[in-house]
Amino acid sequence: GENVEQHPSTLSVQEGDSAVIKCTYSDSASNYFPWYKQELGKRPQLIIDIRSNVGEKKDQRIAVTLNKTAKHFSLHITETQPEDSAVYFCAARPSLGGGATNKLIFGTGTLLAVQP
Amino acid sequence: DGGITQSPKYLFRKEGQNVTLSCEQNLNHDAMYWYRQDPGQGLRLIYYSQIVNDFQKGDIAEGYSVSREKKESFPLTVTSAQKNPTAFYLCASNSGDRRGYGYTFGSGTRLTVV
Repeated sequence: GENVEQHPSTLSVQEGDSAVIKCTYSDSASNYFPWYKQELGKRPQLIIDIRSNVGEKKDQRIAVTLNKTAKHFSLHITETQPEDSAVYFCAARPSLGGGATNKLIFGTGTLLAVQP
Repeated sequence: DGGITQSPKYLFRKEGQNVTLSCEQNLNHDAMYWYRQDPGQGLRLIYYSQIVNDFQKGDIAEGYSVSREKKESFPLTVTSAQKNPTAFYLCASNSGDRRGYGYTFGSGTRLTVV
């Protein structure tokens, strides 16, 4: 079945440094790749997403890159701040022809700790 | 103010008891989902529904049941057959077309067995 692998599971950086989280997906026809941020005890919130016809997307300090050939995509956070500390989930939307659904397949999450 | 509402926020269940978690959305989304999250873990899909009166099992459906009688509502029942129900339960929804593949999540229900 569809699978999304996410690395690393934990990431600790100093404030001001960059953080990179990587995900790989199994379904080559996947066409949508969102990233969610979940603070402790709260709901996941969409922070950025990218569709399969785009290679990179930026929103202020956050960027996502997609390599369809290698079937991986990455989240880049620059100039990290303590409030960036949270769990980040990647996801992919498989596209399996007539059997496609709108459900997302999630990675296992990355706990990012930004040290002041 | 459009959104997705889960209730209650906290729920305590006694051994052998069925409990129902509510999920309501006013986003006019076709698809709705239930996920379970254990401490420090990822999101595991319990059930999902792409349209009213239809739903499919996810990866961990045993011990759970759902209904989708209205587009706005997708309640989850945790039955006595679910032996380890203590977890954080998240409901989500999205539209069925290119305008909204991304999920909107509810604020979650924390279920504890007492």
